Amino acid sequence: KQEVTQIPAALSVPEGENLVLNCSFTDSAIYNLQWFRQDPGKGLTSLLLIQSSQREQTSGRLNASLDKSSGRSTLYIAASQPGDSATYLCAVRLDFNKFYFGSGTKLNVKP
Amino acid sequence: DGGITQSPKYLFRKEGQNVTLSCEQNLNHDAMYWYRQDPGQGLRLIYYSQIVNDFQKGDIAEGYSVSREKKESFPLTVTSAQKNPTAFYLCASSQGNLETQYFGPGTRLLVL
Repeated sequence: KQEVTQIPAALSVPEGENLVLNCSFTDSAIYNLQWFRQDPGKGLTSLLLIQSSQREQTSGRLNASLDKSSGRSTLYIAASQPGDSATYLCAVRLDFNKFYFGSGTKLNVKP
Repeated sequence: DGGITQSPKYLFRKEGQNVTLSCEQNLNHDAMYWYRQDPGQGLRLIYYSQIVNDFQKGDIAEGYSVSREKKESFPLTVTSAQKNPTAFYLCASSQGNLETQYFGPGTRLLVL
């Protein structure tokens, strides 16, 4: 069974710092990997989707990388802002009905 | 505005009662999904539907039922057989099998 792990579970950084969130998975036969943001009591907002044939995706201050062979993905956030404070979730897709989500990294960016 | 709506935001269930959570999308997406989120845990798939009048069980379908009579609607019923229904329920949709999933705002279900 696919296991998805996100480390650390929580992270607190000062505003302006660059940071990296980690996601690891045990089965490398994935179709794609998606990073989401979740604010307290809210739904998930898609940030980046990386297909299995891709190595990275970028959107604004966000960059996500994928290394299938090692079962790892990282989400890089540049010049963090207090508005980035949220829980960040990664999800891998093995098949149409096979999704596995990590439990998330709760990020706090201090002004 | 295109998006996914879920209602109600909060729902209270009494013992032995069935309750239905609404999910509507105007994105013209073929696929729709229901997930359950428990504190400190990742999301788990309850049911999914690839097309109208067709749906399949996910990992934790016991105690739940769905219907897909219209492309834009995918309601979830939490039956009395679900003994631990307290959770945050999220509906999602995507255009194709492997495309980005878009999520609704969620419904929090509590047991009285």
